[in-house]
Amino acid sequence: AQSVAQPEDQVNVAEGNPLTVKCTYSVSGNPYLFWYVQYPNRGLQFLLKYITGDNLVKGSYGFEAEFNKSQTSFHLKKPSALVSDSALYFCAVRDLSGSARQLTFGSGTQLTVLP
Amino acid sequence: NAGVTQTPKFQVLKTGQSMTLQCAQDMNHEYMSWYRQDPGMGLRLIHYSVGAGITDQGEVPNGYNVSRSTTEDFPLRLLSAAPSQTSVYFCASSGLAGPRNIQYFGAGTRLSVL
Repeated sequence: AQSVAQPEDQVNVAEGNPLTVKCTYSVSGNPYLFWYVQYPNRGLQFLLKYITGDNLVKGSYGFEAEFNKSQTSFHLKKPSALVSDSALYFCAVRDLSGSARQLTFGSGTQLTVLP
Repeated sequence: NAGVTQTPKFQVLKTGQSMTLQCAQDMNHEYMSWYRQDPGMGLRLIHYSVGAGITDQGEVPNGYNVSRSTTEDFPLRLLSAAPSQTSVYFCASSGLAGPRNIQYFGAGTRLSVL
């Protein structure tokens, strides 16, 4: 079975500071990893994904994520946070070696960027 | 390009009533799915489909039915609504392989069951 953990329900950061939203995963085979963002009263929007290759993945709005196989982590990062980055962030995983195509989502992390 | 369209946006039901949540996509995606979002629990998969005529159960299928008669549409039916089904429901679609394997979400349906 595949699973995702987002250990922090809430992350607060000051505008202009770097931000990190943590994610760890568990799959039997190789992971296909995603980050999504959800703004209030909206659906989820795709930010970035990792399937193979460079461990540092760049995505939309200046976000990036670092894949660490030994720590089974896929933390989301941004060098300088903006107030407009405040939203709910979800990490998701799919096992590439399995036949199932379903994504498993973490419980979400509410990011608040303080002006 | 409309993407994934869900209707209605809001709905209030009484216990025992039935209803259908509509989902349509115009991206010719093979894969479609329904999730429910509850506070602190992320998104949980209800049902999914890999193509017209093919559906399967996800993590929390009880109390819900789906069908996929066309590539574009994937309605979710609540057979006899219960207060435990109060939630926000999201439909998503994606291609099956490669760069198309990114799920696109609708704006959601907020359902309250009294």
